[in-house]
Amino acid sequence: DIQLTQSPSFLSASVGDRVTITCRASQGISSYLAWYQQKPGKAPKLLIYAASTLQSGVPSRFSGFGSGTEFTLTISSLQPEDFATYYCQQLNSYPYTFGQGTKLEIK
Amino acid sequence: QVQLQESGPGLVKPSETLSLTCSVSGGSVSSGNYYWSWIRQPPGKGPEWIGYMYYSGRTNYNPSLKSRVTMSVDTSKNQLSLKLSSVSAADTAMYYCARENGGAFDPWGQGTLVTVSS
Repeated sequence: DIQLTQSPSFLSASVGDRVTITCRASQGISSYLAWYQQKPGKAPKLLIYAASTLQSGVPSRFSGFGSGTEFTLTISSLQPEDFATYYCQQLNSYPYTFGQGTKLEIK
Repeated sequence: QVQLQESGPGLVKPSETLSLTCSVSGGSVSSGNYYWSWIRQPPGKGPEWIGYMYYSGRTNYNPSLKSRVTMSVDTSKNQLSLKLSSVSAADTAMYYCARENGGAFDPWGQGTLVTVSS
C-alpha cells in the first residue's frame, strides 16, 4: 500500500495567515492526489484534485502543488471557516489511501 | 445534482454482519462514468477506503478487508449496498459512500455511524 504522511499533524494559526500543509507519498503517484476538508460531524469535502485543480465552488485562496511524492496544500489567507481537519488522498493505485490528517486550529 | 445517503443499523453485535445501503438521488448508479466507493472513518482517525462498486457488478476491495466485504448494486432502486461480516469493535466507525469523479471522491454521503457492541 502507498503510505501518505502529512505534516504537520497539528497547526495553530491566525485569521489572515498563510499556511501550507505537506503530504508525502511512500512512492511516486504522479498527480493522482486529492485534498479534502473535514469539519466535525461532517463528511470530507473535496477541495483539490489532480494535485492542483481547484474543485468548482472552492475559494481561490486554496491551492495545491506537487507531483511524484511531495505535495502541498496552501491557504493564502486563513478565514474563520477554514479551521478544520485536512486530508490528502492518493488515487494512483489500489488500495486508495489517505493521510492521517492535519488539524488546523485557531491561535 | 447527485446526492448520496447512507442508511442502516447503528448498532451491530460482535461476530455479526454489518449491512448498509447507499441511496443515490439526482443521478444514476448505472452511469458508466463513475465508480462508487465505500469509505469508513473510526472515531478520531483518518478515512479508510473499503472498496468500489461499478454498476456492471465489478468490484475492487481493500485487501485488508477483502475476506469480509461484499458490495452490490441494485440499479432498479438506484442503491448500493455494503456487507461486512464477522465484525468486531475495530469496525466501529462512520461509514460513507462516495462517487469517484475525475480523480477524487465527490460527492460524499453524510455518513452513518456504526457501533459494534454487545
